[in-house]
Amino acid sequence: AQSVTQLDSQVPVFEEAPVELRCNYSSSVSVYLFWYVQYPNQGLQLLLKYLSGSTLVKGINGFEAEFNKSQTSFHLRKPSVHISDTAEYFCAVSPSGGYNKLIFGAGTRLAVHP
Amino acid sequence: DTAVSQTPKYLVTQMGNDKSIKCEQNLGHDTMYWYKQDSKKFLKIMFSYNNKELIINETVPNRFSPKSPDKAHLNLHINSLELGDSAVYFCASSPSSSKNNEQFFGPGTRLTVL
Repeated sequence: AQSVTQLDSQVPVFEEAPVELRCNYSSSVSVYLFWYVQYPNQGLQLLLKYLSGSTLVKGINGFEAEFNKSQTSFHLRKPSVHISDTAEYFCAVSPSGGYNKLIFGAGTRLAVHP
Repeated sequence: DTAVSQTPKYLVTQMGNDKSIKCEQNLGHDTMYWYKQDSKKFLKIMFSYNNKELIINETVPNRFSPKSPDKAHLNLHINSLELGDSAVYFCASSPSSSKNNEQFFGPGTRLTVL
């Protein structure tokens, strides 16, 4: 079975500061890794995904994430956040066995303050 | 030009009633999903269909019955609604059941059971 742990339920940060949202996963099989963003009262939008290859993945809106297999982590980073980045961020895995299904973490609320 | 659409956006109903939520995607995808997001923002997959065939059924009560009349539509019917069914239900689609495919989410249907 797979599980995803997002270590921070809320992350407050000032505008233009850097931010890191932490994600750890557990799986006995290889997985694909995803970060989704949910803006208030909206559906989820893919930020980035790791399938294979380079462990540093760049996504939309200036976000990037680094896959660390030994630490089973996939932390999301942005060097300088904007007010518009305020949203809920979800880390997810898709196990290599079986069909495509996303297993989500509990989410991290990023609150950017002026 | 909406990619994944859901109706209704809001649904308020009494306990014991039967209700349906509809989902349509115009992306030409083969696979569709239903996810439930509870009051703590936790997202969990419920069902997945590939070319109108059920491929994932995640121990959901049999009061929930998905129906896929064609590969562009996946509806969710819920019988004998209970208070615990209150949640936001998201429909999603992906090009195939392949595990590395991005899933595209609809805007969600907020169901409130009184």
